[in-house]
Amino acid sequence: GENVEQHPSTLSVQEGDSAVIKCTYSDSASNYFPWYKQELGKGPQLIIDIRSNVGEKKDQRIAVTLNKTAKHFSLHITETQPEDSAVYFCAASLNEKLTFGTGTRLTIIP
Amino acid sequence: DSGVTQTPKHLITATGQRVTLRCSPRSGDLSVYWYQQSLDQGLQFLIQYYNGEERAKGNILERFSAQQFPDLHSELNLSSLELGDSALYFCASSVEVGRVNTGELFFGEGSRLTVL
Repeated sequence: GENVEQHPSTLSVQEGDSAVIKCTYSDSASNYFPWYKQELGKGPQLIIDIRSNVGEKKDQRIAVTLNKTAKHFSLHITETQPEDSAVYFCAASLNEKLTFGTGTRLTIIP
Repeated sequence: DSGVTQTPKHLITATGQRVTLRCSPRSGDLSVYWYQQSLDQGLQFLIQYYNGEERAKGNILERFSAQQFPDLHSELNLSSLELGDSALYFCASSVEVGRVNTGELFFGEGSRLTVL
């Protein structure tokens, strides 16, 4: 089955700086890569996703890049704000089954 | 609000007991997924139902079982509970186009189970 590794497990950045979270996956057949944000006491919520036929996707301050050859994908958050503080999960989908990474706790320092 | 409703929000019970967690998916969503989130762990996929039928199985213990009813709500039954079963249990639903999952999962707020 698919295996997804996510780094770092914790990340602290100054407000206004950029944050980058990286994930690798094991199965080259995976074709869908979403990112979820989980705020305290809430369920995860999709913030951006990318499919294997695209190399990069951007939505305002967040962007995701995918390198199929290296089997890794990254989440980039620019101009970070306090409300970006949360746990972020990457995931990879193979045959419609999502496998999640172990999460990154992002803390934005005011 | 994702539109997915889970009850109860919190549950405290003893080892050896049995509990049932309930999930109502978003209106119109036919697929229901159950995930377990332990402390400092990611989301472990347990099981998926589509329109009442089991569609995929993950790392679900034999002590756990689930079903999806005709009204599309789902229940996750956890029996012979152990301390290690303490976790957040999430239900999610998804949009299907035909029988193809569009990808996005809508998660409920979870049921926090504490086994003492």
